[in-house]
Amino acid sequence: QVTLRESGPALVKPTETLILTCTFSGFLLSTSAMCVNWIRQPPGKALEWLARIDWDDDKYYTTSLRPRLTISKDTSKNQVVLRMTDMDPVDTATYSCARGCSSSGFDFWGQGALVTVSS
Amino acid sequence: QSALTQPPSASGSPGQSVTISCTGTSRDFRGYSYVSWYQVHPGKAPKLIIYEVNKRPSGVPDRFSGSKSGDAASLTVSGLQDDDEADYYCCSYAGSDNFVFGTGTRVTVL
Repeated sequence: QVTLRESGPALVKPTETLILTCTFSGFLLSTSAMCVNWIRQPPGKALEWLARIDWDDDKYYTTSLRPRLTISKDTSKNQVVLRMTDMDPVDTATYSCARGCSSSGFDFWGQGALVTVSS
Repeated sequence: QSALTQPPSASGSPGQSVTISCTGTSRDFRGYSYVSWYQVHPGKAPKLIIYEVNKRPSGVPDRFSGSKSGDAASLTVSGLQDDDEADYYCCSYAGSDNFVFGTGTRVTVL
């Protein structure tokens, strides 16, 4: 059974760095053709793909936020971490991790973690 | 990368069909068959219902079908059921190792 769960702070201040952890089970990120993504959804707005890390440690980022994002993995802990610097109130959103590579779609998602950016 | 455009809402009575469009630029869809669709019930994690334009994951009923033509993709839900009432999002591979989602469509079962 594949599960993913996001964890991290619910509230961050402007200019701070957000660190979110995705802990997953039911698959190994060291297995070929496995990938984990981060996707966010601001309240009342559309989904936005942020980043992806592949089994071979290749990393991809959405162009508009690339300077602020870092994705990494710890295969021994079955975790993927997203780091987002210089947080702003417009970054308030539910942040979700999801499994999937280019063609397969995002087939399993976590429940999401609401992050509010406010002073 | 701008979001793909979807109608804000769509509706139909039980048993009827509803089709949701997803439009973008030629760069969004050209040459790519990596279009997927997601069903989102309030407070729940998104569910993959279509991938690679028209393929259904195991367990998704064949009432859900997808297609793509030119700069547009579409999702059709046939035989509407109460549980189909949800938000639906398209997603496409946009090149340069990026993905782009649609603006989302709220489907209401009348």
